[in-house]
Amino acid sequence: GQQVMQIPQYQHVQEGEDFTTYCNSSTTLSNIQWYKQRPGGHPVFLIQLVKSGEVKKQKRLTFQFGEAKKNSSLHITATQTTDVGTYFCAGPGGATNKLIFGTGTLLAVQP
Amino acid sequence: EPEVTQTPSHQVTQMGQEVILRCVPISNHLYFYWYRQILGQKVEFLVSFYNNEISEKSEIFDDQFSVERPDGSNFTLKIRSTKLEDSAMYFCASSVSPGQGFFSPLHFGNGTRLTVT
Repeated sequence: GQQVMQIPQYQHVQEGEDFTTYCNSSTTLSNIQWYKQRPGGHPVFLIQLVKSGEVKKQKRLTFQFGEAKKNSSLHITATQTTDVGTYFCAGPGGATNKLIFGTGTLLAVQP
Repeated sequence: EPEVTQTPSHQVTQMGQEVILRCVPISNHLYFYWYRQILGQKVEFLVSFYNNEISEKSEIFDDQFSVERPDGSNFTLKIRSTKLEDSAMYFCASSVSPGQGFFSPLHFGNGTRLTVT
C-alpha cells in the first residue's frame, strides 16, 4: 500500500537554528498537506500544496512540493521554542476518501 | 471558530469491554473520519464516512469496529471487545469534502485517550 515516510524522525536544535523535514511518498500525490501536532495536542492543518514545484511561505515556514509530486519539504528559519512539536505531511490515498499521514518529524527546540 | 469536539477526553476500560467514543463534527462539514495514534507514533487512518455510510476503511478497521451517525450532529466510533493493543489516542476529524485533486483540510478534535487494562 501507499507509504509516506519522513526524515528525520527526530531533530533537536538550538533556538535560532534552522530546521528541515523531508517527506517522501511511494506514489505520486495530487496534493500534499502539512500538519503540526504540539505535544499532547491534536494535528492542526498548516498548508496545502497542489502544483508541481510549488513553494509557499508562512512567515518563517517554507513549504515545497517536488517536481514529480512525490516529495515535499518544510523548512523553518530561525526556530523558536513555539515551533516545538511533530510535523506531519499527509497526502490523499489514491482516488479515495482518506488522507495518509507521514511518519512525522518531532522537533525539539532548546532555548 | 467552529471546532470538532470529542468526548470523553480519557476512557479507561477493561479488556473485552465495549466502548463508544463520541464526536461532534463541524456543522457544515460533510466528511467524517476516525484516526488513531499510538503513543509517539504516526496518525493512522481508520475510517471515512459520508452520506451516512462508510466510504473507506483501513485494514485496522475490522469487525471489532463500527461507526454511526445516530442523529444530525454526533458521529460515534464503537469498539467491541477491546484488546490491550487498542490503547491509543483516537481522533475524530471532519472536512468540507475530500474532493479529488483538492483535499479539504481535516479539522481534528482534541482526541479521546483510550486505555485498555
